[in-house]
Amino acid sequence: EPEVTQTPSHQVTQMGQEVILRCVPISNHLYFYWYRQILGQKVEFLVSFYNNEISEKSEIFDDQFSVERPDGSNFTLKIRSTKLEDSAMYFCASSEEGPRTGNTIYFGEGSWLTVV
Amino acid sequence: AQSVSQHNHHVILSEAASLELGCNYSYGGTVNLFWYVQYPGQHLQLLLKYFSGDPLVKGIKGFEAEFIKSKFSFNLRKPSVQWSDTAEYFCAVSLNTGFQKLVFGTGTRLLVSP
Repeated sequence: EPEVTQTPSHQVTQMGQEVILRCVPISNHLYFYWYRQILGQKVEFLVSFYNNEISEKSEIFDDQFSVERPDGSNFTLKIRSTKLEDSAMYFCASSEEGPRTGNTIYFGEGSWLTVV
Repeated sequence: AQSVSQHNHHVILSEAASLELGCNYSYGGTVNLFWYVQYPGQHLQLLLKYFSGDPLVKGIKGFEAEFIKSKFSFNLRKPSVQWSDTAEYFCAVSLNTGFQKLVFGTGTRLLVSP
């Protein structure tokens, strides 16, 4: 089965540093997403990306966050100046169509970010 | 605001016991409903989904869920669990209009003892 792959699986960074989390979505998918899960809390939507632009974002996705599809295969999440509260598991996901059609969203294994 | 509630945070069962995990959502419009599972150290995987049609949905690994619109519920069931079902289970909802996102419940950790 095709997979969404994410790197790194785990990253430790100092507060204030920039972090880039990388994802390779499934190749024929058109919608890309980032979700995150703070330890012990819900999986939360951050941002969706379609047609080379952000289609939706949550209130969590403030100016310190950005996403990019630098080439035909990668999809990145950048956190400009990390804070302690950014420590979480970040999931990349992709789908052929948007979820309002009932389309399945496929998730990667996650990147665990620890900010110290 | 749209929300999803999973009432059981931790469930412990013996093998062969029956499972039912509750999921309720708060939204009056048309929704799509999903159950995802996360096995230890692995990614979120789709167990089953409801989009339209028969409200009783069958998924992988013997799981099923029933959409009861009047109760805003989408409970997950399995008649006989196995040790390998030990995982965290997440209910999620997407709207049929508007935002292209999933809203997740808090998850239920299931431990099946052999």
